[in-house]
Amino acid sequence: EIVLTQSPGALSLSPGERATLSCRASQSVISNYLAWYQQKPGQAPRLLIYGASSRATGIPDRFSGSGSGTDFTLTISRLDPKDSAVYYCQQYGSSPWTFGQGTKVEIK
Amino acid sequence: EVRLVQSGGGLVQPGGSLRLSCAVSGFTFSSYWMHWVRQVPGKGLEWVSRISGDGTGTNYADSVKGRFTISRDNAKSTLYMQMSSLRAEDTAVYYCVRGVTMATVTPWNFWGQGTLVTVSS
Repeated sequence: EIVLTQSPGALSLSPGERATLSCRASQSVISNYLAWYQQKPGQAPRLLIYGASSRATGIPDRFSGSGSGTDFTLTISRLDPKDSAVYYCQQYGSSPWTFGQGTKVEIK
Repeated sequence: EVRLVQSGGGLVQPGGSLRLSCAVSGFTFSSYWMHWVRQVPGKGLEWVSRISGDGTGTNYADSVKGRFTISRDNAKSTLYMQMSSLRAEDTAVYYCVRGVTMATVTPWNFWGQGTLVTVSS
């Protein structure tokens, strides 16, 4: 099983700032099948990034993903108050599909 | 429009059983792998199970293997999760999920609204 470790656990930033979220895998993620999801309270997760760096349909270009192998990053440039949420990374290349524990982003 | 509408959650005693349903519309149900994912309130996400489009292929997380059974009725466009021998640690919101594409390997972009299962005496 691939264990995903996200850091930091929480971030508190001001509108307009940049957020950098990290996801480290315990072993190489097959073909960089790494996704990022955003989840707001009371809602289902929303796909942001797949294949480590491809934006899902309708996702603004303020969200970008990078990385390969075992180290991945989600960057949110120019934070907006509506970006307040928990962000999860997920590997979907091998069973069992696993998630990181999440990073909570708070907008001051 | 793709829709996944869940039903069947609730309160059940430890050792009991419950069946979750997920009725879908807006796409050719039989063409897609479907998954169940759960989330303990306030905690992270855990993949539970998946089933192939024709229902012949299934996989389970070790935490539910032998207790949960995933199935589907393609004629009714409905996904099921039969849960038995339920434990307190199965308490969670359960989501049915569909991938972006029909491929076996695909990220997930369609989620049901979630249904809460509470296992407690």
